[in-house]
Amino acid sequence: GEDVEQSLFLSVREGDSSVINCTYTDSSSTYLYWYKQEPGAGLQLLTYIFSNMDMKQDQRLTVLLNKKDKHLSLRIADTQTGDSAIYFCAEIPNNAGNMLTFGGGTRLMVKP
Amino acid sequence: DSGVTQTPKHLITATGQRVTLRCSPRSGDLSVYWYQQSLDQGLQFLIQYYNGEERAKGNILERFSAQQFPDLHSELNLSSLELGDSALYFCASSASGISNEQFFGPGTRLTVL
Repeated sequence: GEDVEQSLFLSVREGDSSVINCTYTDSSSTYLYWYKQEPGAGLQLLTYIFSNMDMKQDQRLTVLLNKKDKHLSLRIADTQTGDSAIYFCAEIPNNAGNMLTFGGGTRLMVKP
Repeated sequence: DSGVTQTPKHLITATGQRVTLRCSPRSGDLSVYWYQQSLDQGLQFLIQYYNGEERAKGNILERFSAQQFPDLHSELNLSSLELGDSALYFCASSASGISNEQFFGPGTRLTVL
């Protein structure tokens, strides 16, 4: 996951918006993904975006994609304490089969 | 619940031993992937199988091997275990659609003492 970069930590207050950022490596990646990992649990697929889209909204989640800068962000509106987890962005680089390459994860802490 | 199951949940063993991790994919998914999550390496792809055939290989050690059976369940075999093999091992599965959404199991936590 060293080629996909994320900041390590984000702290927000309950009810605020959270924005988790990611820089990926391969501009030809077709799909980009966001996963959530709660303590002691597996990875939950939250959402994904096709590379020809700039934005995708799914309830409280908004994904923004800037292909020129290879920058991906996940915005969580009205963040709740249940959103506290580690968030991973991932890509499938071109010529990499179907293997996901993950960032190091951003730990989101939501304070009441 | 993703529909992907993994057993066992926890495994504690000694250096030099061999273990087998098992994964059952979601119903209908033909692809199975194995990933390793460790503190120093993060999440790394190990290997992919599609309908019984090896499809892609990542940074998988020669001491590790995997297979996918006719009923599509998969096993990851880890041998000559070292302390550094202690990690969470995840299995994921996907259908053959182009978005390639991969759904992960709960993982097997391996501790090598």
